[in-house]
Amino acid sequence: DIHLTQSPSSLSASVGDRVTISCRASRSMSNYLNWYQQKPGRAPKLLIHAASSLQSGVPSRFSGSGSGTEFTLTISSLQPEDLGTYYCQQSFSTPIFTFGPGTKVDLK
Amino acid sequence: QVTLRESGPALVKPTQTLTLTCTFSGFSLNTGGMCVTWIRQPPGKALEWLARIDWDDDKYYNTSLKSRLTISKDTSRNQVALTMTNMDPVDTATYYCARINRYESSGYYAIIDYWGQGTLVTVSS
Repeated sequence: DIHLTQSPSSLSASVGDRVTISCRASRSMSNYLNWYQQKPGRAPKLLIHAASSLQSGVPSRFSGSGSGTEFTLTISSLQPEDLGTYYCQQSFSTPIFTFGPGTKVDLK
Repeated sequence: QVTLRESGPALVKPTQTLTLTCTFSGFSLNTGGMCVTWIRQPPGKALEWLARIDWDDDKYYNTSLKSRLTISKDTSRNQVALTMTNMDPVDTATYYCARINRYESSGYYAIIDYWGQGTLVTVSS
């Protein structure tokens, strides 16, 4: 199974800051990487698929990049509503899915 | 409009079998490429993928939990069920059902594009 790690595990940032979250895979998986946002008490929401494709309806301040084993989610200008936990998820070894451990984002 | 809703017991005793039902609308599991999956999240912890069932009735399980899980579908009722045997307090979690949508774009991709609200299951005597 592919193992995913994320860094940092948590971060504090101010409104308007540029935020970067990393996801690393235990082996190369092309661009079969999705990103989800989970707000407290809510179900996760798909943000980015295929490493860099913005899901319909997601604000353009979110972007994704990377391929192989290194991936990045960027929030270009953090907004208060962006607080929550972000998870990467691989679909390379579909039908088996795995999620990263998550990165918690809160306001400084 | 795609919706999914989980239902089942909020409390189960250790060693009991848990049965959860996902009732969905806005799509059909008879449609090629459609799948329904179950994912759980212990309080304060990360997401864990559990199982998946496809439109063609193929079924897949988390390798660590495979011996305890069974997923099934009733397309006439738009429902997917998950059973987990021999429940333990460590299985206390919010259980989500969700839709997997597969698409082709220089490869076959799978995304979890719609989620239920989740149902908290507590395992305690």
